[in-house]
Amino acid sequence: DAGVIQSPRHEVTEMGQEVTLRCKPISGHNSLFWYRQTMMRGLELLIYFNNNVPIDDSGMPEDRFSAKMPNASFSTLKIQPSEPRDSAVYFCASRGTPNTEAFFGQGTRLTVV
Amino acid sequence: AQSVTQLGSHVSVSEGALVLLRCNYSSSVPPYLFWYVQYPNQGLQLLLKYTTGATLVKGINGFEAEFKKSETSFHLTKPSAHMSDAAEYFCAVGGGTSGSRLTFGEGTQLTVNP
Repeated sequence: DAGVIQSPRHEVTEMGQEVTLRCKPISGHNSLFWYRQTMMRGLELLIYFNNNVPIDDSGMPEDRFSAKMPNASFSTLKIQPSEPRDSAVYFCASRGTPNTEAFFGQGTRLTVV
Repeated sequence: AQSVTQLGSHVSVSEGALVLLRCNYSSSVPPYLFWYVQYPNQGLQLLLKYTTGATLVKGINGFEAEFKKSETSFHLTKPSAHMSDAAEYFCAVGGGTSGSRLTFGEGTQLTVNP
């Protein structure tokens, strides 16, 4: 298995632009997590899905952020409009069964200038 | 609700010395506990996990951790540090309903000095 695949690995965009981050979870996994990592705030859970349904989005910072999981093999995290304070590394992770470990992708490093 | 506290955001040890990274958790249900390692510019990689059964858990790269319910702790240890152990380490807790979230601690940066 190729693991959790995220794209792009790096994204540089101008303030105000729309940014879409993509994630392909491990086949057969039914939970998917989006995390944001910054020096100041550490690793923050933004949202997680179970069987393609958003379970907890309380970590989504504001309405500029949205996440979708249209099917079991794909998820997106969108930021519109982007701001410099959104600069961070965004991780996607998936999990096969409840209370087992989550497997992380390599992350997308987002820089908003 | 669940939470994790990692004591010490930075730990520095000499090569060959004992590594001890502390993790305390809070959980209203039986916890499932994990330690992850993150190397620079990489994602998180599982070191070891406790779900049920034996409370002393062995992981990769010579690390182990012991689940102590009475102390609500899950400290990570390695008898002899190696330069390649320098990384950031995260403790995480899960448990509860089928849709349970995974909650991470703030991380501990381990430095290994020659």
